[in-house]
Amino acid sequence: DSGVTQTPKHLITATGQRVTLRCSPRSGDLSVYWYQQSLDQGLQFLIQYYNGEERAKGNILERFSAQQFPDLHSELNLSSLELGDSALYFCASNSHRGGGNTGELFFGEGSRLTVL
Amino acid sequence: GDSVTQMEGPVTLSEEAFLTINCTYTATGYPSLFWYVQYPGEGLQLLLKATKADDKGSNKGFEATYRKETTSFHLEKGSVQVSDSAVYFCALSDPMNSGYSTLTFGKGTMLLVSP
Repeated sequence: DSGVTQTPKHLITATGQRVTLRCSPRSGDLSVYWYQQSLDQGLQFLIQYYNGEERAKGNILERFSAQQFPDLHSELNLSSLELGDSALYFCASNSHRGGGNTGELFFGEGSRLTVL
Repeated sequence: GDSVTQMEGPVTLSEEAFLTINCTYTATGYPSLFWYVQYPGEGLQLLLKATKADDKGSNKGFEATYRKETTSFHLEKGSVQVSDSAVYFCALSDPMNSGYSTLTFGKGTMLLVSP
């Protein structure tokens, strides 16, 4: 158990819909990262938050957004969903102060999104 | 930009066989290199890492050496077990390129070990 909690574990929805994925980082971790894992693209970095502020942005679509709340949990919002958004979405956290990355990320078990 | 290339799988081995999973990288700075493992139904876990050239990372019988001259970080294990069946990801962290240091992952290599 990594200590990172993600909900829901599975989600099935229709094209055009909007979903929210939730992540609770390990106790004490200030940084939260979101990754998308799909068969064709592999693991793609989406976005990082550090202590409530956006720190880095990767290949995140404009239809997607995220935020980190004062209690440090994070939510990833996916809207106007398309078939191609079907993937496993991972949240990870670490404790590196200053928002940099020593390399060890602690991953949750992921949220599997299926868009029909 | 940065990239990581891994050998495609699946890699199928018998128990006690020798394992090599190749990984090469492209980076503009001086990256740190990592191997992560993903067991079925679970998230990724750090397996080992190396932060500078010629460093050897090791854990649970797995080893990888940071080779700057060949830009490689191949994963090896002398004798695999059925419990090693998983997907293995090579990754790098390159703060010089991006100003921050999130991980760039390879596409993963599935390892299947049979008794």
